[in-house]
Amino acid sequence: KQEVTQIPAALSVPEGENLVLNCSFTDSAIYNLQWFRQDPGKGLTSLLLIQSSQREQTSGRLNASLDKSSGRSTLYIAASQPGDSATYLCAVSADDQAGTALIFGKGTTLSVSS
Amino acid sequence: NAGVMQNPRHLVRRRGQEARLRCSPMKGHSHVYWYRQLPEEGLKFMVYLQKENIIDESGMPKERFSAEFPKEGPSILRIQQVVRGDSAAYFCASSPRTGPTQYWIFGPGTRLTVT
Repeated sequence: KQEVTQIPAALSVPEGENLVLNCSFTDSAIYNLQWFRQDPGKGLTSLLLIQSSQREQTSGRLNASLDKSSGRSTLYIAASQPGDSATYLCAVSADDQAGTALIFGKGTTLSVSS
Repeated sequence: NAGVMQNPRHLVRRRGQEARLRCSPMKGHSHVYWYRQLPEEGLKFMVYLQKENIIDESGMPKERFSAEFPKEGPSILRIQQVVRGDSAAYFCASSPRTGPTQYWIFGPGTRLTVT
């Protein structure tokens, strides 16, 4: 059974710092891995999707990497800003899950202080 | 393109009442997924539907919960005789396909509070 773990559960940094969020999954037979952002009381915003054949994706100050063999992904945020404060969720899908439904980690709650 | 629509955004029910949550997928998306997010917990898969078919309901509680996606209209998640433990955020996601190139668009969620 696929399990997704995110470390750390919470992170506080001063504005301007570069930071890394970690995600690990137990079964490497995934189709893709997706990073989401969730603001308090809000829905999910997709940040980056990495297909299993890819090793990384970049969007602006965000870079996500995927190492299927080790069951790990990292989300790198450059030059953090207070507006980056949110919960970041990692999720994977695979063909042994219902309609390739996403399996989520519990998230890392990021707080960036000005 | 309005994205995935969910309504109501907030729903308050007393114990024992019924809750109906609606989800309209993105235009062209025929795959609908419901997830539940309990306080301090991650999102958990509940059910996967296509038009007029429940494909997988392995994440649904065995009693009081049901889902449908009729030929016309939105997908509906129905919770009968709600209890305080049902208080959570319920998210719907839609997808145009499954498999390695799948992607999901999530709705804003319905926050259910049971008093």
